[in-house]
Amino acid sequence: AQSVAQPEDQVNVAEGNPLTVKCTYSVSGNPYLFWYVQYPNRGLQFLLKYITGDNLVKGSYGFEAEFNKSQTSFHLKKPSALVSDSALYFCAVRDRNSGNTPLVFGKGTRLSVIA
Amino acid sequence: EAEVAQSPRYKITEKSQAVAFWCDPISGHATLYWYRQILGQGPELLVQFQDESVVDDSQLPKDRFSAERLKGVDSTLKIQPAELGDSAMYLCASSRGQGLETQYFGPGTRLLVL
Repeated sequence: AQSVAQPEDQVNVAEGNPLTVKCTYSVSGNPYLFWYVQYPNRGLQFLLKYITGDNLVKGSYGFEAEFNKSQTSFHLKKPSALVSDSALYFCAVRDRNSGNTPLVFGKGTRLSVIA
Repeated sequence: EAEVAQSPRYKITEKSQAVAFWCDPISGHATLYWYRQILGQGPELLVQFQDESVVDDSQLPKDRFSAERLKGVDSTLKIQPAELGDSAMYLCASSRGQGLETQYFGPGTRLLVL
């Protein structure tokens, strides 16, 4: 079975500082990995995904994530946080080798960027 | 930029009543998903359609939930009768196909059952 862990319920960072939102995953085969962001009372917005190839994936709004197979991690990063980045962030995984298995989401990490 | 449309945005109902949610996916997207997101958790898949066919409804509580996508375009999710535990955000998403295709989400319908 596939699963995602987001170990931090809340991350606080000062505006202008780098931010990291952590994600680890478990799949039996090779993973497809995604990051989504959710603003209050809104649906999820796609940020980036890892399919294959370069371990560093660049996405929307200056976000990037690094796939680390040995640590089974896919942490989301941004060099300089903005107050407008404050939102709920979800990591999701799908096992590439398990047919049409559903996308499994983590519980989310709330990011608060303080001015 | 094309978006997934959902209505209503908010719904308040009493337990034992019937409710229905509507979703219009991005044009040309063959795959449609309904998720339930309970407060403080990530979305969980309820049902997945490929065109008009159900691909996965293993997590859909079929005694009270039903979903259809009759013409392979828009979709309706129904709950009858609603229970207190059904209070959640119901999200619709669509993608061009299955597998590694990116899913794009609508704004959701927030349901409160009293």
